[in-house]
Amino acid sequence: GAVVSQHPSWVICKSGTSVKIECRSLDFQATTMFWYRQFPKQSLMLMATSNEGSKATYEQGVEKDKFLINHASLTLSTLTVTSAHPEDSSFYICSARDLAGEVQYFGPGTRLTVT
Amino acid sequence: SQKIEQNSEALNIQEGKTATLTCNYTNYSPAYLQWYRQDPGRGPVFLLLIRENEKEKRKERLKVTFDTTLKQSLFHITASQPADSATYLCAPEGVSGGYNKLIFGAGTRLAVHP
Repeated sequence: GAVVSQHPSWVICKSGTSVKIECRSLDFQATTMFWYRQFPKQSLMLMATSNEGSKATYEQGVEKDKFLINHASLTLSTLTVTSAHPEDSSFYICSARDLAGEVQYFGPGTRLTVT
Repeated sequence: SQKIEQNSEALNIQEGKTATLTCNYTNYSPAYLQWYRQDPGRGPVFLLLIRENEKEKRKERLKVTFDTTLKQSLFHITASQPADSATYLCAPEGVSGGYNKLIFGAGTRLAVHP
């Protein structure tokens, strides 16, 4: 149990375009989902916390207009990178917290490359 | 600010030995702490959660301790195998901005040699 999926697993896009990444909790309901990014050989950096049915809370330094997060249901959250630039190239990972509110289960990650 | 420190150097051990990884945190008191395993190009996989009122927790060959006085958690893998080679992340939970969230250490890379 406790599986989180992400789609796509990798994506290449041109500079200036937008990319949407989906995160789904497959066998449990998640009131809270998180989005992280990870650069090579670095730790996970939290970008934002999203709660189902409400606006996401962004970490300091993360542009909310650039990284749009939607958490429309208890099993789906999406991250849209708008007007992507090469510096947005990174590994994006989502996680979902179970209803008990403790353990976070992570998706397999999405590798974004902006050319 | 809240800070997490893990062994920055890679840990190389011989198969069959016990690996011990250290996680120190400063400037806050987490209610619980989680350990994850991450393989290259993959998302972290949950291993163990230990609460502030628990001194030790075990799961198969894994053991985690939590010393709230020292502000430290130790993660042990006994009878290590080459398949245990990965990066291990420590993540104490904290509250910031009204939300519970994990704060990740940089991770310790473990290499188990046959």
